[in-house]
Amino acid sequence: EIVLTQSPGTLSLSPGERATLSCRASQSVSGNNLAWYQQKPGQAPRLLIYRASSRATGIPDRFSGSGSGTDFTLTISSLEPEDFVVYYCQQYGNSPLYTFGQGTKLEIK
Amino acid sequence: QVQLQESGPGLVKPSGTLSLTCAVSGGSISSRNWWSWIRQTPGKGLEWIGEIYHSGSANYNPSLTGRVTISVDKSKNQFSLRLNSVTAADTAIYYCARLIIGSPAVDYWGQGALVTVSS
Repeated sequence: EIVLTQSPGTLSLSPGERATLSCRASQSVSGNNLAWYQQKPGQAPRLLIYRASSRATGIPDRFSGSGSGTDFTLTISSLEPEDFVVYYCQQYGNSPLYTFGQGTKLEIK
Repeated sequence: QVQLQESGPGLVKPSGTLSLTCAVSGGSISSRNWWSWIRQTPGKGLEWIGEIYHSGSANYNPSLTGRVTISVDKSKNQFSLRLNSVTAADTAIYYCARLIIGSPAVDYWGQGALVTVSS
């Protein structure tokens, strides 16, 4: 099983700042099939990025993804107030086919 | 706009069977997408349960193999989850979801259904 470790667990920043969230896999993620989701309280997750760097439909361009192999990054270039929620990474490839990271909470400093 | 809606009992007794259905609207379950069940708990986070294609081909999380069955009903444009021999550890919010064609990421989620296992 591929274990995804997200860091930091909590990130404290101010609106307008740049956020860098990390997702590290215990083994190489095949085909760079790594996705990022945003989850607001009481809601289902929302897809932000798939295949490591492709932005999902309707996602603002302040969200970007990068990385390959075992190290992936979600960057939010300039934080808006609505961005202070929880983010998850997810990989596809090994058994089980899909696993998720434990999440990074973005909080207002 | 594709919409997914979970339905089913919110309370299941220990050792019983959890059954949920996901109704798909705004799109066809016979499209080239795979359809999935995912659950979320405060302790274990997000956990993939399994997925199904309209042909009936399915894949499951090995940790649940033997207890889980996902099926599809093309005539009703819906798919379903059955989880047997439930315990308190199966208490979770259960989401149905659609995977992007050709990419293993979820582009549409249901709103989620809280299922509690308790006597």
